[in-house]
Order: sequence, then C-alpha cells, then structure tokens
Amino acid sequence: GENVEQHPSTLSVQEGDSAVIKCTYSDSASNYFPWYKQELGKRPQLIIDIRSNVGEKKDQRIAVTLNKTAKHFSLHITETQPEDSAVYFCAASGGGRSGYSTLTFGKGTMLLVSP
Amino acid sequence: DGGITQSPKYLFRKEGQNVTLSCEQNLNHDAMYWYRQDPGQGLRLIYYSQIVNDFQKGDIAEGYSVSREKKESFPLTVTSAQKNPTAFYLCASSRDRASPGELFFGEGSRLTVL
Repeated sequence: GENVEQHPSTLSVQEGDSAVIKCTYSDSASNYFPWYKQELGKRPQLIIDIRSNVGEKKDQRIAVTLNKTAKHFSLHITETQPEDSAVYFCAASGGGRSGYSTLTFGKGTMLLVSP
Repeated sequence: DGGITQSPKYLFRKEGQNVTLSCEQNLNHDAMYWYRQDPGQGLRLIYYSQIVNDFQKGDIAEGYSVSREKKESFPLTVTSAQKNPTAFYLCASSRDRASPGELFFGEGSRLTVL
C-alpha cells in the first residue's frame, strides 16, 4: 500500500517568516495530494490540494508543489501569522481495495508561529 | 446545518467491554471513513465504506467492526479484541465514491480505557 513520510515533525518560525513542510509518497499511481490543518482541539480541515496533472497550486499565502518524478510534494506558507499555528497533515490517495482509492496520511507537522 | 456529527465526544470504557461510536452525516455523501489519531502517528484508516451495505478494512481494522445500513450512518464498534483502544477517533465523509476528494471530518470521539 501507500506510505507517506512527512518532515519535519515540528517547525518553529517567527511571525512573517516562511514555512515549508515536505512529504514523500511511495505509490506512483497516487494522483491526489491534499493538505489538512488541525488546530488544537478541532477537526482537520482541508486547506489546499493538488492533483497529479498539476505541478503547483497557490491560494493566497499558501502553495503546494508536486514533483511526480521524485514522488514528493511540499506545502509552502508565506508571511506566517500566529493563527497559522496548528498541526498540518499531508496525504496521498491510492492503495484502496476493490478499485476504490483512500487517503494515506503523513504523521503530521506541528507548526508554531511566534509573534 | 450540514455536517458530520460524532457522539459521544468523550467515552470511558472498562477493559473487556465493547463500545460503539456513532457517526451521522447529512451531507448526502456516498463515502464514509473511520480514522484513529494517536499523538505523533497521524491519521490511520480503520474502515471505510463507499456505498450502503458495503465496507472495506483499512490499515488497522483488527479489533474493530462497522456497519453501513443507512447512507447517513456509519457506526464503529471498538471490541474487547482491540489491544490498545485508547485514542481519538475521527469519522469523515466524502462526496465522491471512486476518489476521496475532500474529506469532511466530525469533531471526534475520545475513548479512554480504564
């Protein structure tokens, strides 16, 4: 099945700096790569996603890049703010049974943005 | 107000007891999922269902059981066979049956075994 590795496990930045979180995946058939943000005590929520036919996608201060050849994708957050502090999970689709694909998640990155 | 409702939010269980966690959605989504979240372990898939009366094992199904008798409901039973059941359990749904697309999560249920 699919295996997703995520680094770093924790990331501390100063407000206004950029933050980058990287993930690698193992299944070359995976074609969907979302990122979820989970604030303390809350449910995970989708913040951005990318499909395998696109190399980069941006949404205001966040962007995701995908390198299919190397099987890795990254989340970039610019001009970080304290409210960006949360746990971020990457995921990749693939490996489901009976022809259905499911999401495999990385172990998460705790991002701390200091004022 | 559309969404996914999980109950109970907190649950305590004695060893050897089975417990059932409820998950209901009114989003008219076909697919539903159960994930387990442990510190530093990410979200691990327990079971998923793409259609009523059908479900598949995920990566860590041992000691768990599910049913999908109605489109809007996907309860999870944590059986006494689950060796380490203390965890945070998240239910999710997605619109697309064939591909996960965006997952919509419930607020979670925290199970503690005493």
